[in-house]
Amino acid sequence: QLVLTQSPSASASLGASVKLTCTLSSGHSSYAIAWHQQQPEKGPRYLMKLNSDGSHSKGDGIPDRFSGSSSGAERYLTISSLQSEDEADYYCQTWGTGIHWVFGGGTKLTVL
Amino acid sequence: EVQLVESGGGLVKPGGSLRLSCAASGFTFSSYSMNWVRQAPGKGLEWVSSISSSSSYIYYADSVKGRFTISRDNAKNSLYLQMNSLRAEDTAVYYCARDLGGLFETWGQGTLVTVSS
Repeated sequence: QLVLTQSPSASASLGASVKLTCTLSSGHSSYAIAWHQQQPEKGPRYLMKLNSDGSHSKGDGIPDRFSGSSSGAERYLTISSLQSEDEADYYCQTWGTGIHWVFGGGTKLTVL
Repeated sequence: EVQLVESGGGLVKPGGSLRLSCAASGFTFSSYSMNWVRQAPGKGLEWVSSISSSSSYIYYADSVKGRFTISRDNAKNSLYLQMNSLRAEDTAVYYCARDLGGLFETWGQGTLVTVSS
């Protein structure tokens, strides 16, 4: 069964960097994922597609401060030079034949 | 500009029905699979249903199978979700999302569905 696991919360200081993690369940380490950002009281926003080799393609208008990387079954979202508007929930998402569409539980990022 | 605008949400009694719409603009709607995703109050995102570009392939989450029906009208650039036999646990904000290779790369702003007596 395809499951995406995320830590429920993370925090970092204004201007610092933070690395969020999404872990694919066993047997699914080759899957690409998407990262989505959801600011308070807003709809989700697509950030990027992240492949198993760490290559990624960002959505329109996504700042260079957002980057992705991969290691095995782990997919990372790194946000550098944190700004107050980066305080949001971050979800990873993927898709598989017969598995359909799956979301991680989300990570709530607090900017201190 | 690529845009998705949902409508049709509201308050409905348990057992009732509601039809959601999603109006697409700024892209060739007929070329993309589309999805409905929902978010219960204070909870995470849950995929609900998907429809391929020509409506040939349709999928549902187990939680809504047999009660919800997804459809689209490519001539009207519109996506729909017919929701029947609604339950309290269907209360959520419903988003439509454009599908690119299985990943949701454009989202609408959502429409709130509240199921309550």
